Amino acid sequence: GQQLNQSPQSMFIQEGEDVSMNCTSSSIFNTWLWYKQDPGEGPVLLIALYKAGELTSNGRLTAQFGITRKDSFLNISASIPSDVGIYFCAGLDNFNKFYFGSGTKLNVKP
Amino acid sequence: SAVISQKPSRDICQRGTSLTIQCQVDSQVTMMFWYRQQPGQSLTLIATANQGSEATYESGFVIDKFPISRPNLTFSTLTVSNMSPEDSSIYLCSVQGGIFQSTQYFGPGTRLTVL
Repeated sequence: GQQLNQSPQSMFIQEGEDVSMNCTSSSIFNTWLWYKQDPGEGPVLLIALYKAGELTSNGRLTAQFGITRKDSFLNISASIPSDVGIYFCAGLDNFNKFYFGSGTKLNVKP
Repeated sequence: SAVISQKPSRDICQRGTSLTIQCQVDSQVTMMFWYRQQPGQSLTLIATANQGSEATYESGFVIDKFPISRPNLTFSTLTVSNMSPEDSSIYLCSVQGGIFQSTQYFGPGTRLTVL
């Protein structure tokens, strides 16, 4: 079946640094999604990408839909303490099925 | 985006009992999903809740253990039956929506602890 690999698993960075995380899949997706989950909460949608090559920003967050349709990255610029949390990628395939990455746990040191 | 609420937000239950989790959406949606998230793990799809018909379960999940109701287009329930400590998890409902119906929106989750 579909495999979705997200990396890195965790990151420890200093406040103010930029962060990058990515996801790759074994087959193509029609949509890539990025979520953030705070402790004790449900995942919150950050960015949705709908076509290959699309580059979308949401404040300090930027995400891209890879040209091969098999990968996506999320960048966070000038990190702040409230960026702490777990970030998940997700993809929607041709069969209207969603797949989720294993998550990237972000820690920001003030 | 859809606004989703879940009840209860958390519960502590005894082994062998059952808990029903409710999910309410502020608009009519076709696709509703139930996920389990074990501590430190990603999301695992339990089933798709279909309005007017039986839920569609993923491999490893069965109706006897996780019965689901979907009486209308804004509401669903998931029951965790005959609970054991291994059922301790966060249970999340979600809906499919957004542009091209290609996005999922999640509820706040129900944190279940089974003693």
